[in-house]
Amino acid sequence: NAGVTQTPKFQVLKTGQSMTLQCAQDMNHEYMSWYRQDPGMGLRLIHYSVGAGITDQGEVPNGYNVSRSTTEDFPLRLLSAAPSQTSVYFCASSSGGFGEDYEQYFGPGTRLTVT
Amino acid sequence: QKEVEQDPGPLSVPEGAIVSLNCTYSNSAFQYFMWYRQYSRKGPELLMYTYSSGNKEDGRFTAQVDKSSKYISLFIRDSQPSDSATYLCAMKGSSASKIIFGSGTRLSIRP
Repeated sequence: NAGVTQTPKFQVLKTGQSMTLQCAQDMNHEYMSWYRQDPGMGLRLIHYSVGAGITDQGEVPNGYNVSRSTTEDFPLRLLSAAPSQTSVYFCASSSGGFGEDYEQYFGPGTRLTVT
Repeated sequence: QKEVEQDPGPLSVPEGAIVSLNCTYSNSAFQYFMWYRQYSRKGPELLMYTYSSGNKEDGRFTAQVDKSSKYISLFIRDSQPSDSATYLCAMKGSSASKIIFGSGTRLSIRP
């Protein structure tokens, strides 16, 4: 049971380049989400998914695309990188409703720098 | 005004002290209230969550929600150096899928 894995751990991009941040979970969680964390800003939701084939926008979706073709994987695509997208990106997965068995796990993060 | 406000600290207390961490919020629709711990250069870890008002205890940690004041707290008893981390509050409405986070409070426990 690996939990939530993210690759790569670090990435440097030039302005205008595109890339995909990978996220995978092995807990059969339906709910997955992407956050970015910037100093003094806490975590801000980029996109989320409540199941395979279903995605929706969060607070700061511009410049990012997602898809969810399987329960396990939820990649985040940067279409044309900008310096404002320099941040630490976290993927999270959770079991759904806030019941007795609710669980949520975050990945270790991807540190992205756009020059 | 942010929906969730949290004092960034840093907060430094001696080992063994009781720590009080707090958040205020403006959206009365929030029903679920969470606390996360984040060690340096790691992902956040869900510590505990509460539904609506009241208290919840888990070992040395107690979460308190006062919906009338739109104020939530996390108390840490018998604090340890291993509790040194950034603590984030978060909340969401009952039907909402989106979790809104505070900016985090950096806590340091001095041995």
